[in-house]
Amino acid sequence: GAGVSQTPSNKVTEKGKYVELRCDPISGHTALYWYRQSLGQGPEFLIYFQGTGAADDSGLPNDRFFAVRPEGSVSTLKIQRTERGDSAVYLCASSPGTSLNTGELFFGEGSRLTVL
Amino acid sequence: DAKTTQPPSMDCAEGRAANLPCNHSTISGNEYVYWYRQIHSQGPQYIIHGLKNNETNEMASLIITEDRKSSTLILPHATLRDTAVYYCIVRVRGGSNYKLTFGKGTLLTVNP
Repeated sequence: GAGVSQTPSNKVTEKGKYVELRCDPISGHTALYWYRQSLGQGPEFLIYFQGTGAADDSGLPNDRFFAVRPEGSVSTLKIQRTERGDSAVYLCASSPGTSLNTGELFFGEGSRLTVL
Repeated sequence: DAKTTQPPSMDCAEGRAANLPCNHSTISGNEYVYWYRQIHSQGPQYIIHGLKNNETNEMASLIITEDRKSSTLILPHATLRDTAVYYCIVRVRGGSNYKLTFGKGTLLTVNP
């Protein structure tokens, strides 16, 4: 498809388990963002990639959260030792390189994570 | 980035104009005003942005006051599909990091 694709759309796991969430950005977009959205709140920034490197990871809540983008396209958000408080919708967004950037981010539909 | 203030909720009749206000009294000269919306169970969607001039596109119009301390997003003929949370965000344009800081936004409910 032409948009940002996120999988799985829903993930239910048990406390303490490891989880991976995948984001496939729009082809050619060099910038990729992860956000987290809890019920009734706006999306909260987690991490930003420019190409393969994490240029800003200031939003990651703790060292249980990690994200990679090894080839500058698909990204994986990894959560270790999940806690009930990690339950949220995890949103991915992408945008073009700087020469084309108007400030518009293109969001996927999110991965809903439920930790029991 | 400057903080924004929006009403938590608004109602609008279908077919009428929806006017969504946003206060950003601490905005800096190089900061733009961006609007996004989020329909239930979907990711946020970009609507429009502006610096100091009024802007219009196929989705909406953005009116920014002369002192730039507030703005209004206008949906000229609201439909039921415009029911969503609308976020007003202020940020610097330029560079490569377009990290957005979302508040709680305004829940617009369009009624038949």
